[in-house]
Amino acid sequence: DAGVTQSPTHLIKTRGQQVTLRCSPKSGHDTVSWYQQALGQGPQFIFQYYEEEERQRGNFPDRFSGHQFPNYSSELNVNALLLGDSALYLCASSRARLNYGYTFGSGTRLTVV
Amino acid sequence: GNSVTQMEGPVTLSEEAFLTINCTYTATGYPSLFWYVQYPGEGLQLLLKATKADDKGSNKGFEATYRKETTSFHLEKGSVQVSDSAVYFCALSNYGGSQGNLIFGKGTKLSVKP
Repeated sequence: DAGVTQSPTHLIKTRGQQVTLRCSPKSGHDTVSWYQQALGQGPQFIFQYYEEEERQRGNFPDRFSGHQFPNYSSELNVNALLLGDSALYLCASSRARLNYGYTFGSGTRLTVV
Repeated sequence: GNSVTQMEGPVTLSEEAFLTINCTYTATGYPSLFWYVQYPGEGLQLLLKATKADDKGSNKGFEATYRKETTSFHLEKGSVQVSDSAVYFCALSNYGGSQGNLIFGKGTKLSVKP
């Protein structure tokens, strides 16, 4: 049973560019959350998607946007990249209304140069 | 607002030593509490959780007890192994384990020497 799959695993972008990261949730999960983990820090919540809508959002600017598709997979888009956006981006999936917790992917390492 | 504070690392122990990683929290209501572990180059794995006061979460020899009176959720293991070397994160969620967002501490790096 595949867990949470994220792609790509690594990428390098230039300041000002745009990036799209992708996440396939664990089988049976319908909720996807995105987190940003800067080096040496704990993950910070970006937003959560359920039923193709953004359900919660953390303290991130509008440059960060997302989407959830009918098959529950999700994308995270970041526009106008800044050097400070360099981080590990983690996707976590869960099943709504069931308190079984989140399953995390291995993340996408984004480097902005 | 809600927050999690955990002891700063790194923590270096010899194999079979006793481990304690302190975690305290600030939250409204009755949060669920979690410990996640991150091995090098990997994502986070749920280690254990507790959803109400006095609950004890346990897994793989690790334990943590939800102490509402001291707002703490300290992680303990009686005898660590080299394979326990990783970064450990304490986290809380105010909406249950899979509906609300998780708030993480900064993490504590554990290194276990043979």
